[in-house]
Amino acid sequence: NAGVMQNPRHLVRRRGQEARLRCSPMKGHSHVYWYRQLPEEGLKFMVYLQKENIIDESGMPKERFSAEFPKEGPSILRIQQVVRGDSAAYFCASSPVGIDTEAFFGQGTRLTVV
Amino acid sequence: KQEVTQIPAALSVPEGENLVLNCSFTDSAIYNLQWFRQDPGKGLTSLLLIQSSQREQTSGRLNASLDKSSGRSTLYIAASQPGDSATYLCAPEGTGGGNKLTFGTGTQLKVEL
Repeated sequence: NAGVMQNPRHLVRRRGQEARLRCSPMKGHSHVYWYRQLPEEGLKFMVYLQKENIIDESGMPKERFSAEFPKEGPSILRIQQVVRGDSAAYFCASSPVGIDTEAFFGQGTRLTVV
Repeated sequence: KQEVTQIPAALSVPEGENLVLNCSFTDSAIYNLQWFRQDPGKGLTSLLLIQSSQREQTSGRLNASLDKSSGRSTLYIAASQPGDSATYLCAPEGTGGGNKLTFGTGTQLKVEL
């Protein structure tokens, strides 16, 4: 049973470009969470999704960031018009149910904006 | 709003020592608390999950305790080894909806030969 798969592992974008980060949850998991870890800071919750639904996006920046988890395929975190401050590690986690359960994390995508 | 504090922020010990890592949280309305390990440049590995109804959980040389009413959890590492060197993170899951975790900034552990 493969774990949570994130790709790419490393992504370099120039300011103003778009970044697309992908996350495939563990088999049997229908709940996906995105977290961001800024340099020298702790992980912060961004968004919680189920298939075709955004359940909680209270941690998402108001502009340029969006997330989806389609019926088929991986969850996508999309950052438009990236700026240097978006440079961070983005982690995806999945769980089999939405509450009171263990969360499993991927290896993360390290985004560098130059 | 849940806030999580981990003490100490960094710890350097010789191999073989028994260690105590502390985690405190401000909101006791939690379902559970997870302890993770993060190696430099890597993802998070789940170490232990303690349900809110439990007092402690053990896995090998690791033992985690939870005192929900006082907002504290402790991770004990017995007979530390250089391979234990990593950053250790605690994360309670609040009851506000969704498996949403709040993380502390971690304890950076170095175990020396």
